[in-house]
Amino acid sequence: GAVVSQHPSRVICKSGTSVKIECRSLDFQATTMFWYRQFPKQSLMLMATSNEGSKATYEQGVEKDKFLINHASLTLSTLTVTSAHPEDSSFYICSARDNGRSTDTQYFGPGTRLTVL
Amino acid sequence: AQSVTQLGSHVSVSEGALVLLRCNYSSSVPPYLFWYVQYPNQGLQLLLKYTSAATLVKGINGFEAEFKKSETSFHLTKPSAHMSDAAEYFCAVSDLNNNDMRFGAGTRLTVKP
Repeated sequence: GAVVSQHPSRVICKSGTSVKIECRSLDFQATTMFWYRQFPKQSLMLMATSNEGSKATYEQGVEKDKFLINHASLTLSTLTVTSAHPEDSSFYICSARDNGRSTDTQYFGPGTRLTVL
Repeated sequence: AQSVTQLGSHVSVSEGALVLLRCNYSSSVPPYLFWYVQYPNQGLQLLLKYTSAATLVKGINGFEAEFKKSETSFHLTKPSAHMSDAAEYFCAVSDLNNNDMRFGAGTRLTVKP
């Protein structure tokens, strides 16, 4: 149980285009999901907290107009990188809290590697 | 604000040797503490977590960690390293609502045959 999937696992796009990354909780409902980015050989940095049915909460320094987050259902959150540039190339990882269990654990997706040419 | 510091970005041990990965935390409230493992190009897998119950926490794959409030530490140990333990390990801290998880910089564990 507690499986989180991400799609796509890897994406290459041209500079200026937009890319959507999906995060799904497969066997549980998640009111809250989180989006992180990880640069090579570095740790995870929290970008935003995604709450079902309401606006996401962004960390300081994260452009909300560039990284659009939608959490339209209890099992799906999406991150759209708008007008992507090479500096947006990174590993994006989502996580989700299981509403039905103790909320002290985040379950992580496998990550999406974004490469912007 | 909460934070964790992992001492040593790279640890190398021989197969069968003790594994010790260090993590110190800073928190103004009672923390939840976690250890995650990450294999190349994959997401994070939870090894174990401390949530204010027993101070010695046992996790998967033979790992355990001890919460020491006096030392503000949560070091990860395994008595005997296996080749498959080679990976990146992250210590993390969150508040009781798990709304704000902060990760350490990570420690890369290498296991030599």
